[in-house]
Amino acid sequence: GQSLEQPSEVTAVEGAIVQINCTYQTSGFYGLSWYQQHDGGAPTFLSYNALDGLEETGRFSSFLSRSDSYGYLLLQELQMKDSASYFCAVRGYTNAGKSTFGDGTTLTVKP
Amino acid sequence: DADVTQTPRNRITKTGKRIMLECSQTKGHDRMYWYRQDPGLGLRLIYYSFDVKDINKGEISDGYSVSRQAQAKFSLSLESAIPNQTALYFCATSDSRGQGDTGELFFGEGSRLTVL
Repeated sequence: GQSLEQPSEVTAVEGAIVQINCTYQTSGFYGLSWYQQHDGGAPTFLSYNALDGLEETGRFSSFLSRSDSYGYLLLQELQMKDSASYFCAVRGYTNAGKSTFGDGTTLTVKP
Repeated sequence: DADVTQTPRNRITKTGKRIMLECSQTKGHDRMYWYRQDPGLGLRLIYYSFDVKDINKGEISDGYSVSRQAQAKFSLSLESAIPNQTALYFCATSDSRGQGDTGELFFGEGSRLTVL
């Protein structure tokens, strides 16, 4: 099966850069995804890494290293609206490509 | 209108009652999922369906059943609700046929269920 670990909470100030890490154990997977969820609302897709390296989408970037079983989400120029929960997820080979989620990291952005 | 619609959005019920949560989508996606979220935890998969004739158990299917009535509709039933099924339930869809399939999930707004 798959398991993912993320820090439970991260705090940063407006305008700063924050990195949310995700370590995983899996026997093989298609890629690593990141989702954002505000206050128990619908999670929304942020990014996907199928290959090692950095993927950039505006202020958000995501990184994957398969050899280190590690990924991260980088948020730059933090804004108050970035306060939310962030989940990493893997799509595993052994479960028909379904996504398994980490427990999430709650990001609090302070003025 | 939302692409993935869940009803009801909130429901309070009593132990032993039968509950159905419904999900409909206008995205034309083939795959549909039901997830459960408990406070401070991630999303855990209850059931999933890759097409109308395909239903599969997820990691926490005990106490739940599903029906894929059409490509656009996927309902979740709790035959006899119990308090530890109090949670936030999400329906999601994905499209297996897109190029560069990322497995991106599109979630509904959630159904908050309280079992007393």
